[in-house]
Amino acid sequence: SQQGEEDPQALSIQEGENATMNCSYKTSINNLQWYRQNSGRGLVHLILIRSNEREKHSGRLRVTLDTSKKSSSLLITASRAADTASYFCATARVIYNQGGKLIFGQGTELSVKP
Amino acid sequence: DAGVIQSPRHEVTEMGQEVTLRCKPISGHNSLFWYRQTMMRGLELLIYFNNNVPIDDSGMPEDRFSAKMPNASFSTLKIQPSEPRDSAVYFCASTGGETQYFGPGTRLLVL
Repeated sequence: SQQGEEDPQALSIQEGENATMNCSYKTSINNLQWYRQNSGRGLVHLILIRSNEREKHSGRLRVTLDTSKKSSSLLITASRAADTASYFCATARVIYNQGGKLIFGQGTELSVKP
Repeated sequence: DAGVIQSPRHEVTEMGQEVTLRCKPISGHNSLFWYRQTMMRGLELLIYFNNNVPIDDSGMPEDRFSAKMPNASFSTLKIQPSEPRDSAVYFCASTGGETQYFGPGTRLLVL
């Protein structure tokens, strides 16, 4: 079953506005990652936040993590039409000496109108 | 680096036929993942390998699906026999650390 649940499922905003997407998960994690998928393409990694971190920034991206609530949010500031894509959160559980796997949420479909 | 390479990019086949999807991970990566993406079920992890060894195949839908990784630079996902409900985009991803790098996917249509 899916570990992450994302909210909203779809978001439509105007260029220049901020976009916020939320993700909730169920079990303990090592880290949480956000990925982006343009239509017809593979997923691309955006940012990773570890379980002992609360906030992280990368360019126009800001990610928060609340492990007590098992939730995360991705904020894209000053959105551009090129940000139009689907955004997925993924929770990671690392298994010693066996790598680890990601469990992806259903994604948020973001549409930024020029 | 060429990134993760998948072939074919598109596959159209008839029900009952065998389908083989191929993946070449990024050189030096030690974990490889096969995912399936559909509108209804989203992105599902089918199986992953670590150092060429299958670690978790709990996502493989049924015995019609099999995956192999004979060496560090090649993996296959086979469906035999294929069914219309197998129609989806199949992604391969690899990692040498914590973040995964995805291939462009194989779009499979089973008629």
